[in-house]
Amino acid sequence: SQQGEEDPQALSIQEGENATMNCSYKTSINNLQWYRQNSGRGLVHLILIRSNEREKHSGRLRVTLDTSKKSSSLLITASRAADTASYFCATDADTGFQKLVFGTGTRLLVSP
Amino acid sequence: DSGVTQTPKHLITATGQRVTLRCSPRSGDLSVYWYQQSLDQGLQFLIHYYNGEERAKGNILERFSAQQFPDLHSELNLSSLELGDSALYFCASSGSTGNRNTIYFGEGSWLTVV
Repeated sequence: SQQGEEDPQALSIQEGENATMNCSYKTSINNLQWYRQNSGRGLVHLILIRSNEREKHSGRLRVTLDTSKKSSSLLITASRAADTASYFCATDADTGFQKLVFGTGTRLLVSP
Repeated sequence: DSGVTQTPKHLITATGQRVTLRCSPRSGDLSVYWYQQSLDQGLQFLIHYYNGEERAKGNILERFSAQQFPDLHSELNLSSLELGDSALYFCASSGSTGNRNTIYFGEGSWLTVV
């Protein structure tokens, strides 16, 4: 079963616009990770945010984490057509061993 | 390139058959994970091995088994295959360098059961 839900399920924007994806989860976590998947391809790790962190940046990516609301958001600024992909959040619950539980994913389409 | 290598990339087989998927983790990574991605179930955690020992089991069917060898590569064995086993199977690894919690995924093995 999946840990959480991502919102929206699909997002269509123009190049240069910002894209925001949200992720909600159910249990306490050790960390939360965001991955990108191009159609039918492997999962590419984007960023990891620990439970004691509130915000993290990596290039055009900004991730926030609100453990009180059990939610995270991924912001991609100045989007490009190459950002077109599915984006997944994955939580690593605080169980003493690593086991990522993935959300349902957001399909992002960036049009030129 | 994540450094995780999976073979084969694509596989088509008949119902009732058995297949083996192979994974080479990133150099030095002791942890290997297997995930299944299907249209109806999404990305599901199957099993985790650490340095040859099973650490955690997820939604792995009894018809499926895995192992991690002394050289740290891993194999996922799928037997008595059913149409519903058609999916993208990912191997992932973690632990050697950088952020120890980051899990790196291979490109996956596409399994089609006909």
